[in-house]
This record gives sequence, C-alpha cells and structure tokens, in this order.
Amino acid sequence: GQQLNQSPQSMFIQEGEDVSMNCTSSSIFNTWLWYKQDPGEGPVLLIALYKAGELTSNGRLTAQFGITRKDSFLNISASIPSDVGIYFCAGQLVSGNTPLVFGKGTRLSVIA
Amino acid sequence: KAGVTQTPRYLIKTRGQQVTLSCSPISGHRSVSWYQQTPGQGLQFLFEYFSETQRNKGNFPGRFSGRQFSNSRSEMNVSTLELGDSALYLCASSVLFQETQYFGPGTRLLVL
Repeated sequence: GQQLNQSPQSMFIQEGEDVSMNCTSSSIFNTWLWYKQDPGEGPVLLIALYKAGELTSNGRLTAQFGITRKDSFLNISASIPSDVGIYFCAGQLVSGNTPLVFGKGTRLSVIA
Repeated sequence: KAGVTQTPRYLIKTRGQQVTLSCSPISGHRSVSWYQQTPGQGLQFLFEYFSETQRNKGNFPGRFSGRQFSNSRSEMNVSTLELGDSALYLCASSVLFQETQYFGPGTRLLVL
C-alpha cells in the first residue's frame, strides 16, 4: 500500500527550542493533516492543509503543504513540556477511492 | 459540539472470545473509519463506512468486521480473539467520505 515517510522517528530537544519534522511520499496528495497523540489517547487534529503551497499556523505550530503535493512539514516554535507526544502526518491521495495514509509518527521529547 | 465517543474505553478479554466496540461520531458526521494501533506499528486501517456502506477495507482477517447504522453510529466486532489483537482501537469521523478525520479517545483492548 501507499506509504508516507515521516522523519525524524524521534527527537529529544531542550525546552524553548524549535522543532521541525516532515513527511514525504512518491504519491500526490490533495490533503495533508497533522495530528498529535498523547499516551493512551486518540490523535488530535492540529492542522489541516488543502492546497499546494499552503502555509497554515495554529499558535506555535506552522505547517506547509509542499508545492509538489508529495510532502509536508510541521514546525513547532519555542517548545514547551506539554509538546511531548507523538506527531503523525496523514495524507489523502488524489486518485481513487483510498483511505487516509498515515506516517509512522515522530516521537517528541522535551527536556526542561 | 461533542467529539467522537468510543465505548468502552478499556476491555479485557480472553483468547477465543469475541468483542464489540462502539463509536458515536461527531453530530452531523456521516463517515466513520476504524484503526488498530499497536506499539511500533503505527495506525493500521481497518474499515471506512459512509451512509451505512463499507467503502474501504484494510488488510485484516475476516475475524474483523464492522457496520454502520442509519444514525451514523458504528460498531466493530472481532471474533475468536487472539493475543495479537491487543491494541488501541481508534474510531475517526468526518463530515463526508474521505474528508478530514477527527479521532475518538480509543478503546484499549487487552487479550489474555
């Protein structure tokens, strides 16, 4: 099946640092979604992107829909301890009747 | 507006038993998707329903089944449980088919 390559797999950062993670694919998507999941809970939608080149912010979070429609990145500025969790990207393929495709997640740890 | 609700939140079963999980989507949402999440495996797609019809099915054995009711609520059933079925089962809803999905808190199933 289709795959999204999400990187990095995990990262440890100091509180206050900026974070960047991305997802890439060989396929073209018409929607990119970014979710955050806390332990034992369901993923929470952070940002949704619907147009190539679109740059959207949600507080300290900024995400972009790549121009080629094959990638997306998420930036977190001035990280705080509550940013800890697993961040997932997900994409809706342009073609066909296919379910949402998920990356394997980036596990973020913030050191106070 | 209330979010996606899933019941029960936690469940312990023994091998060979069967289990039914329930999902109530956000009011007005007509599409429901189910995912299995295990440590290290990420989100594995199970099924997607829209207007009581299964639109997509993931690569899971026939022991996994689901349905959607006229009020958009959905259930999934796992028969003849195996130890490997222990996982967090997540339900997500969207307004229409193949649109932005919002997740519930999940049902944690432990098979002994």
